[in-house]
Amino acid sequence: DVKVTQSSRYLVKRTGEKVFLECVQDMDHENMFWYRQDPGLGLRLIYFSYDVKMKEKGDIPEGYSVSREKKERFSLILESASTNQTSMYLCASSAAGGETRSNQPQHFGDGTRLSIL
Amino acid sequence: GDSVTQMEGPVTLSEEAFLTINCTYTATGYPSLFWYVQYPGEGLQLLLKATKADDKGSNKGFEATYRKETTSFHLEKGSVQVSDSAVYFCALRSFSGGYNKLIFGAGTRLAVHP
Repeated sequence: DVKVTQSSRYLVKRTGEKVFLECVQDMDHENMFWYRQDPGLGLRLIYFSYDVKMKEKGDIPEGYSVSREKKERFSLILESASTNQTSMYLCASSAAGGETRSNQPQHFGDGTRLSIL
Repeated sequence: GDSVTQMEGPVTLSEEAFLTINCTYTATGYPSLFWYVQYPGEGLQLLLKATKADDKGSNKGFEATYRKETTSFHLEKGSVQVSDSAVYFCALRSFSGGYNKLIFGAGTRLAVHP
């Protein structure tokens, strides 16, 4: 089974801090994703990566950056945390898939609930 | 742009009741459609999928049929159990900007009581 591991289940940080959320997958997947989940809004894509050292902005990248130095690890960085970034953050990975392989499922970690005080 | 609309929750049912969670979508082309489930304290898991019109996805007693004419992918189960209590997300795979991405609905919370 695919295992996507997020480093923390719960995290409390202060406004202005630099925050790192870590995600590791063990299935040699090419694709990795960071989402935030908020009530009534579902999941919104922050950033994604289709290869090592490659990143693409999702729908809500402002205030975030990412790093993918190794294939198995995808880090989300809050450069200067703000209270509106309090949320549940979900990491996911999937095997490579272009337009013709559109049914590769995404496998999710258990999430990190981040509170910014 | 592409989008997914789900019925608002929470949906509260008694055990063994029939479940329908509505999902409609807006997209260009023929996207693949998915239902994901999130149990309390966990991440999302793929429940079922359908990749073309009239396909029926099924898993764990849940079913959903890809209806191109009504742009819908409603989730159904004939007899729910307490263990089905979770949040259910409808999603479509969107191809834009040269990449595939999942577009999620807002989620529907289901609570099943004994």
